[in-house]
Amino acid sequence: DAMVIQNPRYQVTQFGKPVTLSCSQTLNHNVMYWYQQKSSQAPKLLFHYYDKDFNNEADTPDNFQSRRPNTSFCFLDIRSPGLGDAAMYLCATSRDIGTGNNGYTFGSGTRLTVV
Amino acid sequence: SQKIEQNSEALNIQEGKTATLTCNYTNYSPAYLQWYRQDPGRGPVFLLLIRENEKEKRKERLKVTFDTTLKQSLFHITASQPADSATYLCAFMNRDDKIIFGKGTRLHILP
Repeated sequence: DAMVIQNPRYQVTQFGKPVTLSCSQTLNHNVMYWYQQKSSQAPKLLFHYYDKDFNNEADTPDNFQSRRPNTSFCFLDIRSPGLGDAAMYLCATSRDIGTGNNGYTFGSGTRLTVV
Repeated sequence: SQKIEQNSEALNIQEGKTATLTCNYTNYSPAYLQWYRQDPGRGPVFLLLIRENEKEKRKERLKVTFDTTLKQSLFHITASQPADSATYLCAFMNRDDKIIFGKGTRLHILP
């Protein structure tokens, strides 16, 4: 089945130690998104890639970076995780920007714990 | 700023009854609204989309309405089952073609 896969499901990292979360998709969608979701909060968009074009949200901290080496893979890098960065990180895809007919397809998320 | 509001209180509904969840939005007139289901520790799953020119959309036991005058969408689950227990998120696409989500409403279907 075509899907969005995030690895790992759970990640524990030390305060200040760089960490990378990964996302892969078999849908061949043009757009990949990274959302941060804290407990009982709405998912918050961090950035997205439209093909190779990177689009950062204005309020996304510089501590968060992303890479998309090819259509299928997208990575979220947190350069120096702080305790406030503990959250669920969700990867999502869509065929195109502005076409919401089928909604976004989300992965299962990576739960990040910072110790 | 564009806001989307859902009842943050959990909703408890007896099995077999209709569950109704509310989504209100302000400072914007979205072309469509989406509803997602999210289970604990999982990513959201897309359920339904309703456009501004549609009053109502149905899918199996789900029904969504969209009132552009009230700036409100209602999400109904008829003949509710314990398996329907989850958090339901409302979302819309903003002026920048980005999907903005509400915090969601937790629904508990009591057996």
